[in-house]
Amino acid sequence: DAKTTQPNSMESNEEEPVHLPCNHSTISGTDYIHWYRQLPSQGPEYVIHGLTSNVNNRMASLAIAEDRKSSTLILHRATLRDAAVYYCILREYNQGGKLIFGQGTELSVKP
Amino acid sequence: EPEVTQTPSHQVTQMGQEVILRCVPISNHLYFYWYRQILGQKVEFLVSFYNNEISEKSEIFDDQFSVERPDGSNFTLKIRSTKLEDSAMYFCASGGRGGNTGELFFGEGSRLTVL
Repeated sequence: DAKTTQPNSMESNEEEPVHLPCNHSTISGTDYIHWYRQLPSQGPEYVIHGLTSNVNNRMASLAIAEDRKSSTLILHRATLRDAAVYYCILREYNQGGKLIFGQGTELSVKP
Repeated sequence: EPEVTQTPSHQVTQMGQEVILRCVPISNHLYFYWYRQILGQKVEFLVSFYNNEISEKSEIFDDQFSVERPDGSNFTLKIRSTKLEDSAMYFCASGGRGGNTGELFFGEGSRLTVL
């Protein structure tokens, strides 16, 4: 399974933007970049995914480098509820569609 | 909003006992998964299930584990003879499509404690 590298932890202030980086230098042409998050004591939750172009949804934006070897999840205005572990996952094509989670980045948000 | 539901939320069992964890996936989904998370560790893939058979399983998913979709709505994980190291949070997930697009929806988890 293709690997990603994320910082172990990051801090943010409430209502400020947060940029969560992810390196994936061994990404293959058919891998999609997925982001999930896990709030304390909850199951993982889908955030966003993309292939080559930048993506926006109601939760976040995903900026993908032109060579696809890195990406950045952007939370435009962090709230206390955004404190979670954020996982950057390269999802290979396979019929079963499994996700393989790494250690993720633990984001803390200060009021 | 549709959601994946899991029962029980917490189960305590003695080592060597059989445990069944139950999940109700989102109704029109076709792909089902079990994951586990040992306290303080990462979320680990156990098994994926599609078209009434296992699509893929990890090394963790040995002969002590089995999955079943007995009635078209429930998706169960059975651990035949629990060990202390099976203590973990178990998450069920479902998805509407396979491949590598689309999102997976996770339940809130079932905490298993083996004594």
